Amino acid sequence: ETGVTQSPTHLIKTRGQQVTLRCSSQSGHNTVSWYQQALGQGPQFIFQYYREEENGRGNFPPRFSGLQFPNYSSELNVNALELDDSALYLCASSEQARTEFTDTQYFGPGTRLTVL
Amino acid sequence: QQPVQSPQAVILREGEDAVINCSSSKALYSVHWYRQKHGEAPVFLMILLKGGEQKGHEKISASFNEKKQQSSLYLTASQLSYSGTYFCGPEGAEYGNKLVFGAGTILRVKS
Repeated sequence: ETGVTQSPTHLIKTRGQQVTLRCSSQSGHNTVSWYQQALGQGPQFIFQYYREEENGRGNFPPRFSGLQFPNYSSELNVNALELDDSALYLCASSEQARTEFTDTQYFGPGTRLTVL
Repeated sequence: QQPVQSPQAVILREGEDAVINCSSSKALYSVHWYRQKHGEAPVFLMILLKGGEQKGHEKISASFNEKKQQSSLYLTASQLSYSGTYFCGPEGAEYGNKLVFGAGTILRVKS
């Protein structure tokens, strides 16, 4: 019962193109995190948004950017796609009541991006 | 640097027990555990906090040794539904105060 949805489910792009992935968080959740999951690996943190402002970023280049909107939706944008960007992209929403640790994250089903 | 999970994979028969370990080289203040079934989203299992506070499912048990920077997930009387990949996600200042997930432990429960 996560209530987190992502679109599209699958996407195929070519190298150099740009892509926008979308996430709809659970109602009331003020925080959304984006992860990249390569095959056989754990999710790798890309960045987090808290109340529409970036609140932490992982080791990803600036061509990975994001937005969070007041209606509990968010976007992950990737410019100048590279072959290595092929992965499952997961968003996770949470109701961050305490700032000293990350609270329970509810993951969406992910978007499978293939870059050819 | 990622935390290290062990074992990498384990096969159990229904009713058997298993322990999955997560080790970090950095000081931690919390550890998250998630389970992901093939083709599905990771699902929250438990959070363990520095100081002993825990938040999670009643049927799941885990430990967090702050001094050793280790956490263990205990799966008892395993059921077929326990199959999946288990990820630990430690959190600490040196991880940038965000979750850094391990590579995962694949658990398969056979009937």
